Amino acid sequence: KQEVTQIPAALSVPEGENLVLNCSFTDSAIYNLQWFRQDPGKGLTSLLLIQSSQREQTSGRLNASLDKSSGRSTLYIAASQPGDSATYLCAMSAGGATNKLIFGTGTLLAVQP
Amino acid sequence: KAGVTQTPRYLIKTRGQQVTLSCSPISGHRSVSWYQQTPGQGLQFLFEYFSETQRNKGNFPGRFSGRQFSNSRSEMNVSTLELGDSALYLCASSLRVAGGTDTQYFGPGTRLTVL
Repeated sequence: KQEVTQIPAALSVPEGENLVLNCSFTDSAIYNLQWFRQDPGKGLTSLLLIQSSQREQTSGRLNASLDKSSGRSTLYIAASQPGDSATYLCAMSAGGATNKLIFGTGTLLAVQP
Repeated sequence: KAGVTQTPRYLIKTRGQQVTLSCSPISGHRSVSWYQQTPGQGLQFLFEYFSETQRNKGNFPGRFSGRQFSNSRSEMNVSTLELGDSALYLCASSLRVAGGTDTQYFGPGTRLTVL
């Protein structure tokens, strides 16, 4: 059974700190991995999509890496800001003829001003 | 370009009733997927549609059903509502079915409360 785990479940950091969120998955045949952000009571906003042939993707202060051999992905946030406070979710796709995503349980991030 | 829209945004129903939720994907997107989000189970895949055909289905009872229309809009229906069906229902659209290669865009969700 494909499973995605995110540690820690919650994280609180002071503004300006660099931080890393972790995502691990059981299926080495992962196709792609996508990181999302979810604000309270809202839908998901896509942050970064890493194809299985890639090792990392960058967007502004965000950098996501993918290591299929170890079954891990990390989301690095540089110079965190209070506006970064949200729940961060990673999701893997198993590929094939489906867009089905398997989500992790999320990391609730609080950036203190 | 308009994003994914979901209606209604909030619903309150009582046990035993049935409900229909609607999702309009981004213009030009033909793939729509539905997810249920609860505090206990997190985000779980319900089903996926492409060109009016159900391509994949999650592990949910038959009370959960859906369909997609020729304009790619999708509806999901839940019959005989149970308290445990209370959740945020999210739909996601993407250009095509490509094993997750394409970025998926989520709507704001429909918050369903079953009393």
